[in-house]
Amino acid sequence: EAQVTQNPRYLITVTGKKLTVTCSQNMNHEYMSWYRQDPGLGLRQIYYSMNVEVTDKGDVPEGYKVSRKEKRNFPLILESPSPNQTSLYFCASSSSANFGETQYFGPGTRLLVL
Amino acid sequence: ELKVEQNPLFLSMQEGKNYTIYCNYSTTSDRLYWYRQDPGKSLESLFVLLSNGAVKQEGRLMASLDTKARLSTLHITAAVHDLSATYFCAVDPYGSSNTGKLIFGQGTTLQVKP
Repeated sequence: EAQVTQNPRYLITVTGKKLTVTCSQNMNHEYMSWYRQDPGLGLRQIYYSMNVEVTDKGDVPEGYKVSRKEKRNFPLILESPSPNQTSLYFCASSSSANFGETQYFGPGTRLLVL
Repeated sequence: ELKVEQNPLFLSMQEGKNYTIYCNYSTTSDRLYWYRQDPGKSLESLFVLLSNGAVKQEGRLMASLDTKARLSTLHITAAVHDLSATYFCAVDPYGSSNTGKLIFGQGTTLQVKP
């Protein structure tokens, strides 16, 4: 089954404790992206990757890091989480940045930073 | 900086009625996407609009794009309860340049009452 998976789905952590949210897709997609969703703000793009070893900043990259060492995986790293990073995070992928096809979203990771 | 604005942000309507959700954006782009999000769920792709005058229809939903007016509409015909969800539009600020960036609107929450 074609899917985007994220882990963990729920996470409670404390300020400053490094964490990684994993994202994996099994569709051999070139393009992957991370978003955060906050009430009233819609989704905001954090980072995206056009292909392996190619990443770029979205609208709200501060406080986040990403890497794309393999095509299927695109982890999101919070080196020193702060309470303002409490949010719902979505990973997404598509066959290319030309979204003429469709973008597939993961189930989401709900993060609470205390 | 590209801004994407949806209106209304909340819409309560009776079954069987028609209504339109508007998505305005502030820069020239010929790539616009519509997504649906059910409560507590992830996003699913509804429509991809890739040129001026593009029109797509699926069931009771029809989306169109007017790049000169920088406006997309999502028209709902004879609403049914199953259409209750939050609808997002998203714009590629660089159009067909395929940069990978995507800017979302705030979302329109649609509630269809029996």
